[in-house]
Amino acid sequence: SQQGEEDPQALSIQEGENATMNCSYKTSINNLQWYRQNSGRGLVHLILIRSNEREKHSGRLRVTLDTSKKSSSLLITASRAADTASYFCALILTGGGNKLTFGTGTQLKVEL
Amino acid sequence: ETGVTQSPTHLIKTRGQQVTLRCSSQSGHNTVSWYQQALGQGPQFIFQYYREEENGRGNFPPRFSGLQFPNYSSELNVNALELDDSALYLCASSLISSSGANVLTFGAGSRLTVL
Repeated sequence: SQQGEEDPQALSIQEGENATMNCSYKTSINNLQWYRQNSGRGLVHLILIRSNEREKHSGRLRVTLDTSKKSSSLLITASRAADTASYFCALILTGGGNKLTFGTGTQLKVEL
Repeated sequence: ETGVTQSPTHLIKTRGQQVTLRCSSQSGHNTVSWYQQALGQGPQFIFQYYREEENGRGNFPPRFSGLQFPNYSSELNVNALELDDSALYLCASSLISSSGANVLTFGAGSRLTVL
């Protein structure tokens, strides 16, 4: 079963706008990661945030984590058409070993 | 530095047949994980191998089995194929460290269609 639930399932924006997607989960985590997938191909790691961190930045990406609400958000600023992809949150659950548990994904479409 | 490569990229099988998918890990990585991704879904964890031993398994039946070789390449075998096994199979390698931050490097996947 999917541990992470992402919202929205699909998002369509114009180039230059910001895109925000959210991930909620149910159990305690060690860390949370975000991955990107282009059109049925392999996933690419974007950013990792540990359970004791609240915010991280990487280029145009900003990730927040609220462990009290069991939720994370990924913000992509100044979006580009090339950002069109599916985005997944992935959890390392406490006591779950090194297994990554993926969410349901958000399909982002950035239009020119 | 090479990434993760998978073969074949596409294949078609019929129900009841067996399939072997192959994966070559990224240089320097010691762990390989396999995921099944159905259309429109997130990847589902099948199992993970570390030092040639299974090191965690998801909710998949025993007809899903795997191997990791001394050079860290890996195979996923699926016996008695069912229609629901049609999916993208993703291999991912990683370097397990003391920090526990298991960041995966994925291959492009093998798309299996079962007819």
